[in-house]
Amino acid sequence: QQPVQSPQAVILREGEDAVINCSSSKALYSVHWYRQKHGEAPVFLMILLKGGEQKGHEKISASFNEKKQQSSLYLTASQLSYSGTYFCGTESTGTASKLTFGTGTRLQVTL
Amino acid sequence: DADVTQTPRNRITKTGKRIMLECSQTKGHDRMYWYRQDPGLGLRLIYYSFDVKDINKGEISDGYSVSRQAQAKFSLSLESAIPNQTALYFCATSDSSFSGANVLTFGAGSRLTVL
Repeated sequence: QQPVQSPQAVILREGEDAVINCSSSKALYSVHWYRQKHGEAPVFLMILLKGGEQKGHEKISASFNEKKQQSSLYLTASQLSYSGTYFCGTESTGTASKLTFGTGTRLQVTL
Repeated sequence: DADVTQTPRNRITKTGKRIMLECSQTKGHDRMYWYRQDPGLGLRLIYYSFDVKDINKGEISDGYSVSRQAQAKFSLSLESAIPNQTALYFCATSDSSFSGANVLTFGAGSRLTVL
């Protein structure tokens, strides 16, 4: 079952902030965030593990609420280069190594 | 050269034809995956492999088969292509070096159109 992302799409002006949410019905081991620019492959941004460990992008932050099986990606002072589609991916406890992706959030940053 | 190489990048074929999409990697990763991307549906897992002798079905494996010829090569086959298999296909690799979790590296994608 795919995790649910919200919003489906968002338009920002350069410099504004955005939050993208990801929610799963399963107990999670990890949450991943990827960004895909138009016509390109998805690229890894961040990973957050159960227990608090994380690794990721220097200018993008995220949170992981293990009890609620939810994660949020925080894009602050957005730049034009942040435009793209953001996907969360989840690894459930007991099925680690298989990443299930959400349907994506399309982000457009304008001048 | 790309770490994960997919061939062909674009393919148009007819209903009923057999199609093979190939993926090779130079990252030395054990784990390889095939995903399918359709507009509005995100990335859905077709098959995945943890090593040459380990092949697992994903969420949408019907109509597809795979072969792991070597650690570096993982091929996806459509035995008899149908129009609803028209999609963008991504190969990805990962290792488990970050506390057992998998960070995926994707290939550039193979766009398949079935007429």
